[in-house]
Amino acid sequence: EVQLVESGGGLVQPGGSLKLSCAASGFTFSGSAMHWVRQASGKGLEWVGRIRSKTNSYATTYVASVKGRFTISRDDSKNTAYLQMNSLKTEDTAVYYCTIASRLGGGYWFDPWGQGTLVTVSS
Amino acid sequence: SYVLTQPPSVSVAPGQTARITCGGNNIGSKSVHWYQQKPGQAPVLVVYDDSDRPSGIPERFSGSNSGNTAALTISRVEAGDEADYYCQVWDSSGDHPIFGGGTKLTVL
Repeated sequence: EVQLVESGGGLVQPGGSLKLSCAASGFTFSGSAMHWVRQASGKGLEWVGRIRSKTNSYATTYVASVKGRFTISRDDSKNTAYLQMNSLKTEDTAVYYCTIASRLGGGYWFDPWGQGTLVTVSS
Repeated sequence: SYVLTQPPSVSVAPGQTARITCGGNNIGSKSVHWYQQKPGQAPVLVVYDDSDRPSGIPERFSGSNSGNTAALTISRVEAGDEADYYCQVWDSSGDHPIFGGGTKLTVL
C-alpha cells in the first residue's frame, strides 16, 4: 500500500523557517517525482512545487509565490521528501500535503495524498 | 494563465443525481481529474483522465469532458458524498497543475 506521512508542521513567527518531511512507502520512491500542495483554512488547493527523480536531475519547480523562499529536496536513501520554508509569511499558513503525480498519456493527476501537516505563521 | 471555474456550491437530495461542473477554455482538449475532500481529511482522487475511476471508487461517480465544460456526476447521492470537490488539469506549457476553486456538495 502506498503511504505518505507528513511531519514537521507547527507554529512559527513571520520571517521564520520550518522544514517539513514526507516519509514515503509502498512504491519506488527514487523513481517518482514528489509534489507539495497546500490549503489555507476554508480555501482551495494550491500547488507549491515538486522535485523530480535522480533520472531527471532532481529538477525542482515552484509556484511564483514561494520561489526563492521555499526549497524542495529529497533523500532517496530514506524515502523522504522535504520542504524547507524560509522567510515565512502569514499567508503561508496552511495545511501542507505531499503527493505523487501519475499519468497514462494525458495530464498528471495526484494520488495518493498524505494526511497533511499544519503550518501556522503568526506572531 | 489557464483558469478553471467551478460553482461554489451544489445541493441535491439523497438518491438524486448531482452534477458538478468545471469550466475552462477548450477544456475538452485536456485531461480532467476530480478529487473529493471531506472536512479535516486529505483529498481523494475519484475520477482521472476525464472519466476513469480509481480502484475502490463507486460506479456512482462518473465524469465527462467536452468543449468548455467538464463535469463530475454523482448518481444516487448519499449523505456520505457530502464534501468539497475539486477539478484539476495539467498546464503542459507551464509544467504545473491547475486546480478549480472547489464546489461544496450539500446533501439535503
